Amino acid sequence: DIQMTQSPSSLSASVGDRVTITCRASQSISSYLNWYQQKPGKAPKLLIYAASSLQSGVPSRFSGSGSGTDFTLTISSLQPEDFATYYCQQSYSSITFGQGTRLEIK
Amino acid sequence: QVQLVQSGAEVKKPGASVKVSCKVSGYTLTELSMHWVRQAPGKGLEWMGGFDPEDGETIYAQKFQGRVTMTEDTSTDTAYMELSSLRSEDTAVYYCASLGYCSGGSCYYMDVWGKGTTVTVSS
Repeated sequence: DIQMTQSPSSLSASVGDRVTITCRASQSISSYLNWYQQKPGKAPKLLIYAASSLQSGVPSRFSGSGSGTDFTLTISSLQPEDFATYYCQQSYSSITFGQGTRLEIK
Repeated sequence: QVQLVQSGAEVKKPGASVKVSCKVSGYTLTELSMHWVRQAPGKGLEWMGGFDPEDGETIYAQKFQGRVTMTEDTSTDTAYMELSSLRSEDTAVYYCASLGYCSGGSCYYMDVWGKGTTVTVSS
């Protein structure tokens, strides 16, 4: 199975900050990497698919990059509604999620 | 637009089975590839399985092989996930999610999610 490792596991930041979350795959997954946002008590929401494609309706402050084994999710200017947990997910071989990154208010 | 409406919370005893439903509206179930993901309290997302549009078959995560069955009733556009031999570690929120895809290769993502069904396993 392909393992997905996110870093950091948690992160404190302020409104207006630029934030980057990293996801590393245990083997190359080409660009078959997606990012989700989850708020407490809610279902996950798709943000980015195929490593860098912005899902319809998602604000442009969210962006994704990477290919092979290393990927990043960047939020260019944090807004209050962005404080949540973020997950990466690969679809290259079966489906696996990263362990999540909790983004908290500093 | 697709909406997924899941069945209500369940409380089960260890060793029992649970069957969670996910009703589709806005599309027909045959137009979708339905998958199931669970989340234990305070934990991350765990993929359980779903319909593989490449092979036309349902695939299951190895961890759940032999204990989970995913079925569909196309007459009612309802997908089901049944988990047997329940243990306390199966206490979780269970989500159905439809699989979107982009052109080429294994580009799959879960773009529409149900609100989740809480399953509690307790004696």
